[in-house]
Amino acid sequence: QGRLVESGGGLVKPGGSLRLSCAASGFIFSDYYMNWVRQAPGKGLEWIAYISSSGSPTFYAEYADSVRGRFTISRDNARSSLYLQMDSVRAEDTAVYYCATEQDYGAVDFDSRGQGTLVSVSS
Amino acid sequence: DIQMTQSPSSLSASVGDRVTITCRASQIISTYLNWYQQKPGKAPKLLIYAASSLQSGVPSRFSGSGSATEFTLTITDLQPEDFAIYYCQQSYSTPRTFGPGTRVDIK
Repeated sequence: QGRLVESGGGLVKPGGSLRLSCAASGFIFSDYYMNWVRQAPGKGLEWIAYISSSGSPTFYAEYADSVRGRFTISRDNARSSLYLQMDSVRAEDTAVYYCATEQDYGAVDFDSRGQGTLVSVSS
Repeated sequence: DIQMTQSPSSLSASVGDRVTITCRASQIISTYLNWYQQKPGKAPKLLIYAASSLQSGVPSRFSGSGSATEFTLTITDLQPEDFAIYYCQQSYSTPRTFGPGTRVDIK
């Protein structure tokens, strides 16, 4: 079982920036597509973005209040790390952010031991 | 974007019951449908992928079926540890949308 540990969350003001990290271990990180999924307090799961094993292509959510154009997903395979650069954050970006590997058929596999990283956007 | 709906939104059941949750997609997604379980304060857990394939380590009382636009998750012989929220997700196209969830409570 691989391990995914998210970090970098915290309190940020509207319009500010934050960079989330996800450290992977116990599996060959460079073999996997990776995803970010978030969950606002008391709400359901929302898929944000994924990135291919090589780093390109990337895909972002484009529905209402989406993150495309504000968030950037990237990875460093040498460091077995995934990132989410969050710019121009809004109150509605307040959520727990999870990273996850992509499995067969595009299923998203979370680390069951993980708790995500909490981002709170407030003035 | 593909919209996912789930029914019911919540249900109450007893240990030993058989529970069925339905997920519907707004367009045909073949069998690109996955099911997750989430307990309070925990990351979601992948249960079923490709509509009916059981993820490694998941008990066989969980099963999935369906194709095209209608899918079901069935839990037979409900156990105390199964009380949680269940989400479906389509992985046919991006954005990989989740359903709103079904809460399974103890009766």
